[in-house]
Amino acid sequence: EIVMTQSPATLSVSPGESATLSCWASQSVSSNLAWYQQKPGQAPRLLIYGASTRATGIPARFSGSGSGTEFTLTISSLQSEDFAVYYCQQYNNWPYSFGQGTKLEIK
Amino acid sequence: QVQLQESGPGLVKPSETLSLTCTVSGGSVSSGRYYWSWIRQPPGKGLEWLGYIYNSERTNYNPSLKSRVTISADTSKNQFSLSLSSVTAADTAVYYCARFYGGMPFEYWGQGTLVTVSS
Repeated sequence: EIVMTQSPATLSVSPGESATLSCWASQSVSSNLAWYQQKPGQAPRLLIYGASTRATGIPARFSGSGSGTEFTLTISSLQSEDFAVYYCQQYNNWPYSFGQGTKLEIK
Repeated sequence: QVQLQESGPGLVKPSETLSLTCTVSGGSVSSGRYYWSWIRQPPGKGLEWLGYIYNSERTNYNPSLKSRVTISADTSKNQFSLSLSSVTAADTAVYYCARFYGGMPFEYWGQGTLVTVSS
C-alpha cells in the first residue's frame, strides 16, 4: 500500500493570507493525486485532481502542483469558508489511500 | 446531478455484521462508465477506502479488510450495498458511498452515516 503523509498536521493562517499544504507519497503516484476539503459534519469535497486540475466549480485561489512523490496545495487570499481539513489522496495504485489530513485554522 | 444516500442501522453489536445501502439517483449502478465505492472515517480520524463495485458485479476490496467486506449491487433498485462482518469497536466510523470514473478520484459522495459498534 502507498502511504500518504501530509504536513503540517495543523496550519494557522490569517484570512487574506496564503496557505501551503504538503503531501508526500511513499512511492511515485505520477500525477494521480487529488485534494479534498472537508468541513465538520460534511463529506469531503473534491478540489483538485491530476495534481493540478481544479474540479468543477472550485475557485481559482486553489492551486495544486507536484508529481511523483511530492505535492503541494496552495490556497491564496484565504477566505473564512476555506478553514477546514484538507486531505490528499493517491489514485495511482490500489488500494487508493489518503493522507491523515491538514487542519487549516484561523490565526 | 448525481446524488447518493447512505442508509442502515446506526448501531451494531460486536461480532455481528454491519450492513449499509447506498441509493443512487442521477446515475445507474449498472452503467459501465462508473465505479461505486465505500469509504469510511473513524471519528476524528482520516479516510479509508473499503472497496468498489463496477458494472454491477466486478469488485475490488482493500486488502486490510478483504476477508470481512462484501459489496453488491441491486440494479432493480439502483442501489449498492456494503456488508462488513465480525465488527469490533474499531469499525465505528462514518461510512460514505461515492462514485468515480475509472482512473479518477472520488467525485461524488453521499452525506455519510455514522455506525457505532457497541453492545
